[in-house]
Amino acid sequence: DQQVKQNSPSLSVQEGRISILNCDYTNSMFDYFLWYKKYPAEGPTFLISISSIKDKNEDGRFTVFLNKSAKHLSLHIVPSQPGDSAVYFCAASVAAQKLVFGQGTRLTINP
Amino acid sequence: DTEVTQTPKHLVMGMTNKKSLKCEQHMGHRAMYWYKQKAKKPPELMFVYSYEKLSINESVPSRFSPECPNSSLLNLHLHALQPEDSALYLCASSQGRGGRGHTEAFFGQGTRLTVV
Repeated sequence: DQQVKQNSPSLSVQEGRISILNCDYTNSMFDYFLWYKKYPAEGPTFLISISSIKDKNEDGRFTVFLNKSAKHLSLHIVPSQPGDSAVYFCAASVAAQKLVFGQGTRLTINP
Repeated sequence: DTEVTQTPKHLVMGMTNKKSLKCEQHMGHRAMYWYKQKAKKPPELMFVYSYEKLSINESVPSRFSPECPNSSLLNLHLHALQPEDSALYLCASSQGRGGRGHTEAFFGQGTRLTVV
């Protein structure tokens, strides 16, 4: 049972444009959501997070939106840069316990 | 220092071997984790240590044995593994003080394990 789903295995975006990565979840008890970025041969790197009491969190070029009624969150990257090319994992937790990860989306930024 | 260091980076072992994976952090984090990641799959939690005590074991087979000698070190002892245990093993740490402290984890580069 996949509680956190990233339905797009890959996404290609032109440099300078907006990248939108999507994530859906099924467990309504999740109260904290995170995005991690992973380069090949490296561990995941924490990017940005959002609590379930908020609907938006912004950090520089990265913004995460949470729609609790739809059980959906998204990560917006604007403007996209070549260094943003990586695999992005959505993750969720209940009461600060273990992280449950989505399958990941491979983002490629084209020049 | 915001690094989690894992050694070795690569390991090939036979099914009768005993080996250990090591993880170290010096961020003062009190929660440490082992995750397993198979190809094209998300990381899956194996164990959580909180304040040097095992707090979560995700029904991991006993051929994987974690150890937390102190707050900076985490080991994973491997014995009699199977070829299907081949994967990337990731160590992570977090503040571990409740709230989001358990979830904003810093990950190491991982150990790529191949069981032959």
